[in-house]
Amino acid sequence: DTEVTQTPKHLVMGMTNKKSLKCEQHMGHRAMYWYKQKAKKPPELMFVYSYEKLSINESVPSRFSPECPNSSLLNLHLHALQPEDSALYLCASSQLGQGEQYFGPGTRLTVT
Amino acid sequence: GEDVEQSLFLSVREGDSSVINCTYTDSSSTYLYWYKQEPGAGLQLLTYIFSNMDMKQDQRLTVLLNKKDKHLSLRIADTQTGDSAIYFCAERDDKIIFGKGTRLHILP
Repeated sequence: DTEVTQTPKHLVMGMTNKKSLKCEQHMGHRAMYWYKQKAKKPPELMFVYSYEKLSINESVPSRFSPECPNSSLLNLHLHALQPEDSALYLCASSQLGQGEQYFGPGTRLTVT
Repeated sequence: GEDVEQSLFLSVREGDSSVINCTYTDSSSTYLYWYKQEPGAGLQLLTYIFSNMDMKQDQRLTVLLNKKDKHLSLRIADTQTGDSAIYFCAERDDKIIFGKGTRLHILP
């Protein structure tokens, strides 16, 4: 099983809302990632978790708050977002020390 | 800094071979990848190659790596309409760096 699942598939939220994106994998991977992808652009790394601890934060604004409650789950909490935060948010996972990252289908976020 | 370059568009007739090229700058890359992204979908890992390999073949896919020239290519044999997508080249040292993606367009 090389599946990474993400919910919801689509999300529309206002600038004052609080919402969360969820990601799950059951491949035993101990590294999990959040990426942001704008239209016609490559994915941009946001956060990396290794062994459930935040290891990389690519200077992401604090209105994005990641959480890794256990080795299979990764959340991204959203609060007071801006319209320019509208994008496809991709979750990925990989074995630590190995290269290949497996991506979920993404959550398409629209901020109104 | 690290950079990955690839052409933005490739048009190929159905049944022909597609060759998507990529160059990278980081000589310490340990892994190089090809991802496929269909419209509205996430990224699908197509194949990868370790930096100490020259070639890897997997069914219709052939990856060639010229480490001296820092050039990576993906050949898709017998291109089908289902191959229409954006193909991202990526390299990894401590984190993955993606190219801008090549849109593969299939002509009937």
